[in-house]
Amino acid sequence: QKEVEQDPGPLSVPEGAIVSLNCTYSNSAFQYFMWYRQYSRKGPELLMYTYSSGNKEDGRFTAQVDKSSKYISLFIRDSQPSDSATYLCAVKTGANNLFFGTGTRLTVIP
Amino acid sequence: GAVVSQHPSWVICKSGTSVKIECRSLDFQATTMFWYRQFPKQSLMLMATSNEGSKATYEQGVEKDKFLINHASLTLSTLTVTSAHPEDSSFYICSAQVGGDITDTQYFGPGTRLTVL
Repeated sequence: QKEVEQDPGPLSVPEGAIVSLNCTYSNSAFQYFMWYRQYSRKGPELLMYTYSSGNKEDGRFTAQVDKSSKYISLFIRDSQPSDSATYLCAVKTGANNLFFGTGTRLTVIP
Repeated sequence: GAVVSQHPSWVICKSGTSVKIECRSLDFQATTMFWYRQFPKQSLMLMATSNEGSKATYEQGVEKDKFLINHASLTLSTLTVTSAHPEDSSFYICSAQVGGDITDTQYFGPGTRLTVL
């Protein structure tokens, strides 16, 4: 079983739509949850991180963690064409152990 | 801040040759550097973790004699793919991290696309 499962998509939405991206993880020992954005042929960049269950908001982005269900989500409000990228969820148990989901490819259509 | 560079950004080589990829943290000193491999439409898979001056720790299934990692300083790590074969063609990404706490962020380089003919 993979540490992190993520629907690879692809996902296409019209500009202005609310986007919901989701991952599940297998190990309750995971404590730290992140979302990375990766543009084509580029390295991932950290979007958001959170420790605890609940919501964390940053501008148009909201990260949500439900530890009881082992479920993490990223919501993008008022999506823009510039949001088109692959979004990777990632989880951590310790300082170095970073596990990525497969990534969801998002296209926002103008 | 927290910029990581990789060189080259892409490389094409013949089967059987060796290729060296450099990873540099430009504006910070990294406690640890990581090397990942990403195949098309797949996620990043950690290959190895290295600390400056120490031998790298390789993940299960990664051949240490094929993927040589040298971590010469706190700002430079190199990955050498020895005797490359077409199945080694992939996107190689490094990351660098300051500190050893779970909250410490890994900053990723832009990646190196390797094509072995």
